[in-house]
Amino acid sequence: QKEVEQNSGPLSVPEGAIASLNCTYSDRVSQSFFWYRQYSGKSPELIMSIYSNGDKEDGRFTAQLNKASQYVSLLIRDSQPSDSATYLCAVNRGSGNTPLVFGKGTRLSVIA
Amino acid sequence: NAGVTQTPKFQVLKTGQSMTLQCAQDMNHNSMYWYRQDPGMGLRLIYYSASEGTTDKGEVPNGYNVSRLNKREFSLRLESAAPSQTSVYFCASSEWLAPDTQYFGPGTRLTVL
Repeated sequence: QKEVEQNSGPLSVPEGAIASLNCTYSDRVSQSFFWYRQYSGKSPELIMSIYSNGDKEDGRFTAQLNKASQYVSLLIRDSQPSDSATYLCAVNRGSGNTPLVFGKGTRLSVIA
Repeated sequence: NAGVTQTPKFQVLKTGQSMTLQCAQDMNHNSMYWYRQDPGMGLRLIYYSASEGTTDKGEVPNGYNVSRLNKREFSLRLESAAPSQTSVYFCASSEWLAPDTQYFGPGTRLTVL
């Protein structure tokens, strides 16, 4: 099993709908989880981080973490065409001072 | 603040040539990273430097060397380029190794013929 797994997509949603992006991870002791957005031809940028079980909301974005199921998700409400990008899930291994491990990313396409 | 800068933006090499990719950050970050990104493969860590004076291998270090020149600068060297090293290379930095937000440079698109 890969350390961080994401469905590569593309995930297509209509404008105004909720986009749901999922990520599973293999290291049970991972403590920190990040969502990065990457537009085509650009570099990744952080949009959300989450460290505790439950939901964390920031504007139209909600990150959800379930450590028991080793699952983290990103919900984008009222999706806009400008949300069309690849979303990368990143996980910090729980052992402490180790670099992030990135998933391969899910490509989201929001159709106007 | 420029953030993380990388040079060059584009480069074409012939097999066997060498080159150094430069990266600098002005955020006073301690940790710096080099990734490569290939279609369908996501970001793969080549080398990282947790702090000035230290470097460690990542997931795909073969064929690369790095130098943490000072706190600001972290360079990636290809000694003898191979077509398999054709990729987009990103440098990133963070205040500390983990857990911490990483800030990425604009990338270098490298083609090895």
